[in-house]
Amino acid sequence: SSELTQDPAVSVALGQTVRITCQGDSLRSYYASWYQQKPGQAPVLVIYGKNNRPSGIPDRFSGSSSGNTASLTITGAQAEDEADYYCNSRDSSGNPHWVFGGGTKLTVL
Amino acid sequence: QVQLVQSGAEVKKPGASVKVSCKASGYTFTSYDINWVRQATGQGLEWMGWMNPNSGNTGYAQKFQGRVTMTRNTSISTAYMELSSLRSEDTAVYYCATRHYYGSGSDAFDIWGQGTMVTVSS
Repeated sequence: SSELTQDPAVSVALGQTVRITCQGDSLRSYYASWYQQKPGQAPVLVIYGKNNRPSGIPDRFSGSSSGNTASLTITGAQAEDEADYYCNSRDSSGNPHWVFGGGTKLTVL
Repeated sequence: QVQLVQSGAEVKKPGASVKVSCKASGYTFTSYDINWVRQATGQGLEWMGWMNPNSGNTGYAQKFQGRVTMTRNTSISTAYMELSSLRSEDTAVYYCATRHYYGSGSDAFDIWGQGTMVTVSS
């Protein structure tokens, strides 16, 4: 079991907005980072910190956090956004250990 | 450009060990911790541990304690992950990734290797 909980699957109509959530106690102390993974490819960082995008990540991707929940929002989802999304943060042990959420499969209809 | 290049696929028998390499280029190797993450087919990402390339200090997930060893060779900017006593459940793609600390409780795995498939089969 994961200390970070994600919905297994979410769908969104093309061009609409979708929010993917991640819940965990450690998120009260640490920011989540978010990763996009397409089949057969390595994960790619899309959001880190309060709401930061690495170079090359479209601005339709944004992040937010409240209490024990972090969210990744895609505003105006595109077909190429269909992928698995994982959140990651420090775990709640107090040790320098990290944990991933179980992942959310995003389908763009 | 900044990249991590991993060694090729491996096939091992149960009980054996595997050592995967991760060669860094385009940045100062000792600047960022190297983390290892694995993914079984059709499953999610699983964090295994970290290594500081400067000090050699490591931290391993409880699940892998006693079976995993992370090392480095700074002269060739390469990190290694060795997993011993392999079993079929260790069949997975293994990734290395740099962890960048941004401050104020924020860090992220910003650069990833291409992954190394390790198959454990008799």
